[in-house]
Amino acid sequence: QIQLVQSGPELKKPGESVKISCKASGYTFTDYAMHWVKQAPGKGLKWMGWINTYTGKPTYADDFKGRFVFSLEASASTANLQISNLKNEDTATYFCWSPFAYWGQGTLVTVSS
Amino acid sequence: DIQMTQSPPSLSASLGETVSIECRASEDIYSNLAWYQQKSGKSPQLLIYYASSLQDGVPSRFSGSGSGTQYSLKISGMQPEDEGVYYCLQGSKYPFTFGSGTKLEIK
Repeated sequence: QIQLVQSGPELKKPGESVKISCKASGYTFTDYAMHWVKQAPGKGLKWMGWINTYTGKPTYADDFKGRFVFSLEASASTANLQISNLKNEDTATYFCWSPFAYWGQGTLVTVSS
Repeated sequence: DIQMTQSPPSLSASLGETVSIECRASEDIYSNLAWYQQKSGKSPQLLIYYASSLQDGVPSRFSGSGSGTQYSLKISGMQPEDEGVYYCLQGSKYPFTFGSGTKLEIK
């Protein structure tokens, strides 16, 4: 069965960086794009963008251009999200998502001094 | 960007009651509309895709309808396990956009 398994929760200080991984199994990784979704505490879902798992080309939503990087380790069927220069407002659960049915379990990133 | 206006923001229903949630798109999304249920602390679960197709394993009391800019999700006979937050998603054009969510509770 198709599964997306994300890395564990992170506690970071403002200005630091974080890298979240999403390991896919149960299908051919390069057959489907990987998307990322942000959910701030108590808030709704916000689409961050996607990465073409065949070419490695990322596309970012406007609010996620600059400090956010999508990358792949295709040989390991893994997609990564890196956030640099963390801010308090980056505190959120981040989901990887293979539209439309498959979601990772979410990774909570807490940014606090 | 396509805006998704979802209503109502919250809803309280009795067991067995039929409830409806609406989403209106700011432009035609050609039925590229999905509905998700999210329970506290969990990932969203796909209920309906392409506006009216029921995802495998989802109870038949869930149904979706609509076209163009207007879409709705209906739950025919509220069950305790249906409590949660429901989101619509337009997948017609990038950037994908979610509705703001509807919190559904048992009365």
